[in-house]
Amino acid sequence: GAVVSQHPSWVICKSGTSVKIECRSLDFQATTMFWYRQFPKQSLMLMATSNEGSKATYEQGVEKDKFLINHASLTLSTLTVTSAHPEDSSFYICSARGTGSGMTDTQYFGPGTRLTVL
Amino acid sequence: DAKTTQPTSMDCAEGRAANLPCNHSTISGNEYVYWYRQIHSQGPQYIIHGLKNNETNEMASLIITEDRKSSTLILPHATLRDTAVYYCIVSSSGTYKYIFGTGTRLKVLA
Repeated sequence: GAVVSQHPSWVICKSGTSVKIECRSLDFQATTMFWYRQFPKQSLMLMATSNEGSKATYEQGVEKDKFLINHASLTLSTLTVTSAHPEDSSFYICSARGTGSGMTDTQYFGPGTRLTVL
Repeated sequence: DAKTTQPTSMDCAEGRAANLPCNHSTISGNEYVYWYRQIHSQGPQYIIHGLKNNETNEMASLIITEDRKSSTLILPHATLRDTAVYYCIVSSSGTYKYIFGTGTRLKVLA
């Protein structure tokens, strides 16, 4: 149980285009989903917290107009990187916090999406 | 900033117990201690968590000191597949936010 998927697993795009990354909780409902970014040889950095049906809360320094987050259902959150540039190239990872017994206090992570902007 | 400090790296012989320490001296009463690990180019994998009592599951044991200012993750019989970066995180039941530190790079040696 507690499986989180991400799609796509990797994407290459041209500078100036937008890229959408999906995060799904497959076998549980997630009231809260989180988005992280990880550069090579660095730790994960929290970008934003999203709650189903409400606006995402962004961490300091993260541009909300550049990284659009939508959490339309209890099993799906999307991150759209708008007008991507090479410096946005990174490993993007989502996580989900469950709602069931024994799951409300733990985040389960997706496998990550590697974004390369040319 | 992360609320935890961990050694940068550790080695462990295959089949031996791996003991990974974590310092969280500023932990608050409502904050849990979580352990995750990340194998190269994958998402972090949940290992175990606890509030103040020691915990054990099929993967590991978590020992939390009585004052809760530090903890130790124990992998009882390390295998080569346990080679990974291990993260210790403290998080409250209010925000559920994780702030990752630099973690410990564990290398299990054959």
